[in-house]
Amino acid sequence: ETGVTQSPTHLIKTRGQQVTLRCSSQSGHNTVSWYQQALGQGPQFIFQYYREEENGRGNFPPRFSGLQFPNYSSELNVNALELDDSALYLCASSTTGWQTQYFGPGTRLTVL
Amino acid sequence: ELKVEQNPLFLSMQEGKNYTIYCNYSTTSDRLYWYRQDPGKSLESLFVLLSNGAVKQEGRLMASLDTKARLSTLHITAAVHDLSATYFCAVDRNTGNQFYFGTGTSLTVIP
Repeated sequence: ETGVTQSPTHLIKTRGQQVTLRCSSQSGHNTVSWYQQALGQGPQFIFQYYREEENGRGNFPPRFSGLQFPNYSSELNVNALELDDSALYLCASSTTGWQTQYFGPGTRLTVL
Repeated sequence: ELKVEQNPLFLSMQEGKNYTIYCNYSTTSDRLYWYRQDPGKSLESLFVLLSNGAVKQEGRLMASLDTKARLSTLHITAAVHDLSATYFCAVDRNTGNQFYFGTGTSLTVIP
């Protein structure tokens, strides 16, 4: 069974640029959620995708957007990067229902 | 807005001692999750608590849930150095695996 994978591992961008982060969900999981974890903080929910549709969104502006593909992999896009977007971005996959989510290793984004 | 608070934020304890981490949340939820995070690493699932009174144990860790008090505890028994990590509780938004995480408790076990 393959776990959740994310790419790239690290990324450095400058303010105003755009970035795309990628996530492959664990085998058999149809739901993908994205979280932002600033240094020293708990993860914050960005949004969730289920069957290629956005299925819930946290308190993040529209410049954070996403996609889910038929194979359940997902992308997180961030436009007009700001310094405060520097964080660890975590992808988590799960099945429907109330079981736990399994997290990927994360992408460390640094905005200069 | 759902708030999840943990205390203590930082915990330094000697090997062999017992301690409890508390997780309070501000809204009705029957689902509470505990995760562990090592420095620079991702989150590892520890416990899934899905009903009032649920108790789960794994090794030196035991988690419980009181939905009426909106409180979960993570009890550490006879701590060992390998338990040093940051522990997070997370509450589901009742919409299906959309978690609100606590502030985290950074645990250091001193040999």
